[in-house]
Amino acid sequence: DSGVTQTPKHLITATGQRVTLRCSPRSGDLSVYWYQQSLDQGLQFLIQYYNGEERAKGNILERFSAQQFPDLHSELNLSSLELGDSALYFCASSVASLGHSTDTQYFGPGTRLTVL
Amino acid sequence: GQQVMQIPQYQHVQEGEDFTTYCNSSTTLSNIQWYKQRPGGHPVFLIQLVKSGEVKKQKRLTFQFGEAKKNSSLHITATQTTDVGTYFCAGTSQINAGNNRKLIWGLGTSLAVNP
Repeated sequence: DSGVTQTPKHLITATGQRVTLRCSPRSGDLSVYWYQQSLDQGLQFLIQYYNGEERAKGNILERFSAQQFPDLHSELNLSSLELGDSALYFCASSVASLGHSTDTQYFGPGTRLTVL
Repeated sequence: GQQVMQIPQYQHVQEGEDFTTYCNSSTTLSNIQWYKQRPGGHPVFLIQLVKSGEVKKQKRLTFQFGEAKKNSSLHITATQTTDVGTYFCAGTSQINAGNNRKLIWGLGTSLAVNP
């Protein structure tokens, strides 16, 4: 158990709909990262938040948005869903980025999104 | 853009055989991390390499960081069925080695081990 929680575990919805995925980081971690993993694909970095502010952006579509709240939990909003958005969405957290090393990221169990 | 290439994409081995996955970056890396994702699971951090030419061992796993800090490898000696999974490398480019420490992920190497 990494200490990162994600809800829901599974989500089935229809094209055109909007969903919200939730992530609670490990206690004390300030950074939250969102990733998309399609079937047989690698991890696609979407976005990172640090202490409530956007820190880095990856291949995140304009239909997707995220935020990190004062209690450090984060939500990933996916709208106008398409069939191709079906994937496993992981949240990861880390302490902070200081010095010459990069933080270890602790991944949650993921949310499996199926768009029908 | 910055890329991290990982080869091979898939590898099938007999239990007891050795396995190696390679990671190559288009830019010099500040550091590199390795993660393992078991089937149906989530990525789990294995190790981080920071120094040029660094070699670290974890039991049957040996991790290397190239002298130029542009490549890395993970070698597993005498594979076991518990080694099954996808191994990812992820590096931080030196040009991003400031406050924006975005990890650049390889696509992973999926290892299957036949008992």
